[in-house]
Amino acid sequence: SAVISQKPSRDICQRGTSLTIQCQVDSQVTMMFWYRQQPGQSLTLIATANQGSEATYESGFVIDKFPISRPNLTFSTLTVSNMSPEDSSIYLCSGGAGGWNGELFFGEGSRLTVL
Amino acid sequence: AQSVSQHNHHVILSEAASLELGCNYSYGGTVNLFWYVQYPGQHLQLLLKYFSGDPLVKGIKGFEAEFIKSKFSFNLRKPSVQWSDTAEYFCAVNAQGRDDKIIFGKGTRLHILP
Repeated sequence: SAVISQKPSRDICQRGTSLTIQCQVDSQVTMMFWYRQQPGQSLTLIATANQGSEATYESGFVIDKFPISRPNLTFSTLTVSNMSPEDSSIYLCSGGAGGWNGELFFGEGSRLTVL
Repeated sequence: AQSVSQHNHHVILSEAASLELGCNYSYGGTVNLFWYVQYPGQHLQLLLKYFSGDPLVKGIKGFEAEFIKSKFSFNLRKPSVQWSDTAEYFCAVNAQGRDDKIIFGKGTRLHILP
């Protein structure tokens, strides 16, 4: 199975600032997704990170707020822009192996606290 | 759009008790179904999966799940739980051939008393 590393693992940010989370996979993956897990909540899909093109966002998430890049099959970034306390959450990068069948590998997540 | 419902938010059991966690999904087409587990302080990992064939699937650590198509259900079971099963369990669904998204339920927090 693929190993996914995220940076930073946690951060405390000021309102109005932006933070970029990096996701590195140790092997090529077909699919990459970004999820948000708010305290006591389930995982909510933010977007599908598409290699070399714009990400596909879910309802309620927009590119201006959560710009995503995926320059190759092993790396992606998620930026949380103009943060507010409501953005405090765990952000999870996940990948799907070749021959995509829906099985996901997850990183440890990035825990953001916005003051 | 597909959705997933997990009936139990928080379950507390004693060791050796039997476990069943409910999961229902809403999607009329063919689905891939998953249970993921998150142990305290660890990342999410796959517990078991169903793609096709035998509706009773076995996963790691003695867990199994049964897909009942007529009930749109994929309940997770374990005949005798251990303290180390304390974790959060997430049911997830992927609509085959429709899109590549995996939709998760709200999760069930399982606490096993020693």
